[in-house]
Amino acid sequence: DVKVTQSSRYLVKRTGEKVFLECVQDMDHENMFWYRQDPGLGLRLIYFSYDVKMKEKGDIPEGYSVSREKKERFSLILESASTNQTSMYLCASSLLQGAGYTFGSGTRLTVV
Amino acid sequence: GENVEQHPSTLSVQEGDSAVIKCTYSDSASNYFPWYKQELGKRPQLIIDIRSNVGEKKDQRIAVTLNKTAKHFSLHITETQPEDSAVYFCAASMRNTPLVFGKGTRLSVIA
Repeated sequence: DVKVTQSSRYLVKRTGEKVFLECVQDMDHENMFWYRQDPGLGLRLIYFSYDVKMKEKGDIPEGYSVSREKKERFSLILESASTNQTSMYLCASSLLQGAGYTFGSGTRLTVV
Repeated sequence: GENVEQHPSTLSVQEGDSAVIKCTYSDSASNYFPWYKQELGKRPQLIIDIRSNVGEKKDQRIAVTLNKTAKHFSLHITETQPEDSAVYFCAASMRNTPLVFGKGTRLSVIA
C-alpha cells in the first residue's frame, strides 16, 4: 500500500509565523498535491507538482508556497500565517496524471 | 477551468435503503471521475472511479454511472449499512490536470 505521511497531525501557530507542513510518500509517485479542506467548501487545490523541482499553482495559492527538492517529499509553506489559514491540510500523491490519489492523514492547523 | 457541483449536501437514509449522490461537471474534456469516502477524523479514500469510455461500473454494493452528454455522474449505494455513514466527495479531471472536487455529501445511515 502507498503510504503518504504528513509529519504533524495537529499544529498551533501564531499569526505571522512561517509554517512548514511536510509530506512524504514512499511509492515513488511522480505527482504530489496539497489541498485544504474546510466545512462546506470541500477540497480546494493549493499547489501541485508533477516532477521534482516543478511546481504549479492551484486554485488558492495566495499566502502559500511549496518546495519539492526530492521526489518523495513535498512541503507546503505558509510564509506569514494568518487566522484565515486555519484549516485541515491534506497532502496526496498519485502514480499517474489523471489517476486516483492516495491521501495523507491531514494536518489540522490552527493559527491564533 | 473545471467546476464540479455535488448534491445533496446532506442525506439521511434508513439502513437497508439505497442512497444516490449526484455530481455535474462543466468541462466536456474531463475523462476521469473518482469517488472518495471520508469517515470522521480519517483521510479520504478512493472507493470507486470511472473513465469517460465507460457508462457504468459496479463494485459490490456501490456503483457509479456516467452520462457524458449531460455531464453528470452519480454514486449509488444499495443496502446501506451504518458503516456507510461518512462524507462522500466526487471529483473530475482531464488527462493532465489535478482533480477538482465537489463540496461533499454527508451521508447518515440510520439503524
